Amino acid sequence: NAGVTQTPKFQVLKTGQSMTLQCAQDMNHEYMSWYRQDPGMGLRLIHYSVGAGITDQGEVPNGYNVSRSTTEDFPLRLLSAAPSQTSVYFCASSVGFRSEKLFFGSGTQLSVL
Amino acid sequence: EDQVTQSPEALRLQEGESSSLNCSYTVSGLRGLFWYRQDPGKGPEFLFTLYSAGEEKEKERLKATLTKKESFLHITAPKPEDSATYLCAVQVGGSYIPTFGRGTSLIVHP
Repeated sequence: NAGVTQTPKFQVLKTGQSMTLQCAQDMNHEYMSWYRQDPGMGLRLIHYSVGAGITDQGEVPNGYNVSRSTTEDFPLRLLSAAPSQTSVYFCASSVGFRSEKLFFGSGTQLSVL
Repeated sequence: EDQVTQSPEALRLQEGESSSLNCSYTVSGLRGLFWYRQDPGKGPEFLFTLYSAGEEKEKERLKATLTKKESFLHITAPKPEDSATYLCAVQVGGSYIPTFGRGTSLIVHP
């Protein structure tokens, strides 16, 4: 009964490096999304997807790319990491775009030096 | 200006000391208001959805209520295991993307 699985749990990058945060769900959810959470801030939406092959930007998309080739997976790519991207990243999914209930992963803590 | 404002930012209670957390919102066309619980080092976990003013939902020691401008999360006789950050989010019809508040950090001392 995995739910939403995020890897890695912790990551340290140097400025300019690239990496991919992985997110997978086993609930056959159509909607998937990425949030970042910073101290004193609410969860802010980065990108979201309403189904395989469809993605859109959220509130803070700059510096991040996503793709959705399967229903299960929704990776988040940092093309050239910057210190401002130091944050905790959460992947979330729900049955559909209009669904009231989001299921969250356990998060990835990213530090960019 | 934040669309969703939670207060207080932090709250310390003694075990058994009941209190309320507040979530006020300024959006129009509210479709739903959600409460989540977040434990340290974990992702948020869904608690309740409220759809219309006057609605109430309960789960164990928690009760959520909704008016036209705000929601309250009442905690009755809290226990240390209720310690967590409680997040509020609103969903507006047409967008459906929830907007989260900054959360209230609750610590319940034994």
